[in-house]
Amino acid sequence: QKEVEQNSGPLSVPEGAIASLNCTYSDRGSQSFFWYRQYSGKSPELIMSIYSNGDKEDGRFTAQLNKASQYVSLLIRDSQPSDSATYLCASFSGGYNKLIFGAGTRLAVHP
Amino acid sequence: KAGVTQTPRYLIKTRGQQVTLSCSPISGHRSVSWYQQTPGQGLQFLFEYFSETQRNKGNFPGRFSGRQFSNSRSEMNVSTLELGDSALYLCASSLAQDTQYFGPGTRLTVL
Repeated sequence: QKEVEQNSGPLSVPEGAIASLNCTYSDRGSQSFFWYRQYSGKSPELIMSIYSNGDKEDGRFTAQLNKASQYVSLLIRDSQPSDSATYLCASFSGGYNKLIFGAGTRLAVHP
Repeated sequence: KAGVTQTPRYLIKTRGQQVTLSCSPISGHRSVSWYQQTPGQGLQFLFEYFSETQRNKGNFPGRFSGRQFSNSRSEMNVSTLELGDSALYLCASSLAQDTQYFGPGTRLTVL
């Protein structure tokens, strides 16, 4: 079973700081990676997708992919209390549209 | 564009009963994937449908089944419910093998 692993946290950061979320994956064939945010009691919401090695920026969010190290990360700049949520890392593995999710990292941004 | 819709949002059933959940994908999306989310197991892939055909199936017992209609709407059915089936059931839609967008989910409680 191919896996995606994340530190479950909680990761606690002060407001305005950079939050760094990390993820590793075992399937070397994986080509597509996704970060979702999930608030308590809600469904996952897509933040970013990344397919190529390097960085991809979207507003306060930067995703980083290193296929050689099988490592994906998400940086959140200027963290806000509204960013407090569980962040899920996912990749396709095992056939059509099968997303494998990590357990999620709980982020807490305190004022 | 309207997002993914799921009905019902909440369900309470008793052991041994069966349940049918419905999902309407984003207009134009032909792929519908289903996931189960529990505190213990996280998000797990159930199955995926594209153009009325099941293309992929996760590691769940045969009590879990699904189908897709010609308008891309999808249903999943769970027969002979067990306590362990209590979960958030999520539907995700995508154009093909790409970014998945989740619906709000159906919270199923089995008593």
